[in-house]
Amino acid sequence: EIVLTQSPGTLSLSPGERATLSCRASQSVSSRFLAWYQQKPGQAPRLLIYGASSRATGIPDRFSGSGSGTDFTLTISRLEPEDFAVYYCQHYGSLPRYSFGQGTKVEIK
Amino acid sequence: QVQLVESGGGLVKPGGSLRLSCAASGFTFNDYYMSWIRQAPGKGLEWISYISGSGDTIYYADSVKGRFTISRDNAKNSLYLQMISLRADDTAVYYCARDLCSNGVCYHDFWGQGILLTVSS
Repeated sequence: EIVLTQSPGTLSLSPGERATLSCRASQSVSSRFLAWYQQKPGQAPRLLIYGASSRATGIPDRFSGSGSGTDFTLTISRLEPEDFAVYYCQHYGSLPRYSFGQGTKVEIK
Repeated sequence: QVQLVESGGGLVKPGGSLRLSCAASGFTFNDYYMSWIRQAPGKGLEWISYISGSGDTIYYADSVKGRFTISRDNAKNSLYLQMISLRADDTAVYYCARDLCSNGVCYHDFWGQGILLTVSS
């Protein structure tokens, strides 16, 4: 089973700053199988990034994903007020079919 | 537009059973895998089950295997989750999600708004 560990748990930043979120897999995974989701309070998650670096439909280009092997990164180039949320990475693969990281909360400093 | 609407949640006693439903619209339902994902209060996301478009491929997380059954009715554009032997740790918001699958990889590209299940005496 692939275990995803996200860091930091909480990121305190100001609007306009750059956010860098990390997702580390317990073993090497194909970047094809790595996705990122955003969840705002009281809302369902939303797909941001798939295949480690491809933006989902309608996702602004300030969101970017990168990485390979065991280390993946979600970067928000300049935080907008609507970007303060919890972000989850996810791996799709062998059972369990999907596994999620524990999430990183991006909060307003 | 794609819409997923869950229903059937509520308060159930430990050991009880319940069936969740997810009504889909805005896309060709039987072309897509569908998943159930849950989120305990204040916690992260946990995938629990998925089903192929035809219903012939099904997987469960270990935490619900043997207690939960996923199914679908493509004529009604509906996804279901039958839950038995419910426990307090099944308390969560349950989301249905459409799985976009291509070249052997899948993602949840659309999610319902979620429905709360509370298991308590």
